[in-house]
Amino acid sequence: GDSVTQMEGPVTLSEEAFLTINCTYTATGYPSLFWYVQYPGEGLQLLLKATKADDKGSNKGFEATYRKETTSFHLEKGSVQVSDSAVYFCALSDRRDDKIIFGKGTRLHILP
Amino acid sequence: DVKVTQSSRYLVKRTGEKVFLECVQDMDHENMFWYRQDPGLGLRLIYFSYDVKMKEKGDIPEGYSVSREKKERFSLILESASTNQTSMYLCASSLGQGLRYEQYFGPGTRLTVT
Repeated sequence: GDSVTQMEGPVTLSEEAFLTINCTYTATGYPSLFWYVQYPGEGLQLLLKATKADDKGSNKGFEATYRKETTSFHLEKGSVQVSDSAVYFCALSDRRDDKIIFGKGTRLHILP
Repeated sequence: DVKVTQSSRYLVKRTGEKVFLECVQDMDHENMFWYRQDPGLGLRLIYFSYDVKMKEKGDIPEGYSVSREKKERFSLILESASTNQTSMYLCASSLGQGLRYEQYFGPGTRLTVT
């Protein structure tokens, strides 16, 4: 079945460092891909999305490119801030139904 | 903006009690979902609903039931709470009808069963 695999955390970086969180997926067909973020004590928020191959989703300085050839959707940010500390979830929807499959999440700590 | 609200942020119940978790969305979404979130396990789908009075089991429905009498409201029911149901419960909604797939989440209810 469809699945999402993302790098295990926690990931600890200093402020202004470059961030990459790896995500790969397995799906039949052409899924939509998402990154969600969960700040402490809150629910998940959609961070960015991409619906077809080579699409780039971006928001709040974060970017991810839908790579069909490598079945990947890695999250990147050029200069992280302390306020980016959160748990990040990679996810896909195979569009056959309206369900979303989530990765297990990667906790990110940014040190000042 | 879509708003999904959950009736409680924190809840403490005793073993054997009947527990109701309420979720309301204000954007006329067709689909609503209940997940539980546990450390190391990520999000697991309990139940979802595509329409009023419709429900489908997710990956872990045992010990839970749901009710959707109105389009905007989706309730999760723990018929007889047990300690292994201590968890964070997240409600979500999405537009549905294959039009947009992203889900919008409420703030979560942290349930402790003692």
